[in-house]
Amino acid sequence: GESVGLHLPTLSVQEGDNSIINCAYSNSASDYFIWYKQESGKGPQFIIDIRSNMDKRQGQRVTVLLNKTVKHLSLQIAATQPGDSAVYFCAGYGNKLVFGAGTILRVKS
Amino acid sequence: DAGVTQSPTHLIKTRGQQVTLRCSPKSGHDTVSWYQQALGQGPQFIFQYYEEEERQRGNFPDRFSGHQFPNYSSELNVNALLLGDSALYLCASSLFSSDTGELFFGEGSRLTVL
Repeated sequence: GESVGLHLPTLSVQEGDNSIINCAYSNSASDYFIWYKQESGKGPQFIIDIRSNMDKRQGQRVTVLLNKTVKHLSLQIAATQPGDSAVYFCAGYGNKLVFGAGTILRVKS
Repeated sequence: DAGVTQSPTHLIKTRGQQVTLRCSPKSGHDTVSWYQQALGQGPQFIFQYYEEEERQRGNFPDRFSGHQFPNYSSELNVNALLLGDSALYLCASSLFSSDTGELFFGEGSRLTVL
């Protein structure tokens, strides 16, 4: 079956530093991955996506890296800001979207 | 452009009762998926509706049922509520023809079962 899991449940970073959130997946059939951000009391919000035929994709202050050899992807946030504090989920898509448990990102000012 | 809207935002029920949650998809979307999110966990897929039919289903019992209307809006029904059904229920909309799986989520309905 499919599973998407995260290495670290909580990540604390200093404001201005870069953040790296990691995710492992088990289903090689996933051909599309998405990172979501969920703030307290809100629904998940799309951040960035990457197809399985890519190894890197950049957005505004965010970069997603995909390593298919070890079935690992990461989300890098540059110059982390207090507004980045949230729970971050990776999700893999084969025929449906499967979410991991999430990583709590706390930004210290 | 209205996003995904859900109602009610919060509700409290007792064990054995039944609940109906409602969702209106983002304008232009034709597919609705429902997810259950327990506290501290990621969303778990319940089912997906397209063309008024259940297209996919996750590992949830028959107590969980749904419906999609001709205007693409959807309902999630849960019968014989258990304490463990307490969770945030998220509705997400998308285009069935999309190959990216990108979902647009609503703010959720917080269900508490006492």
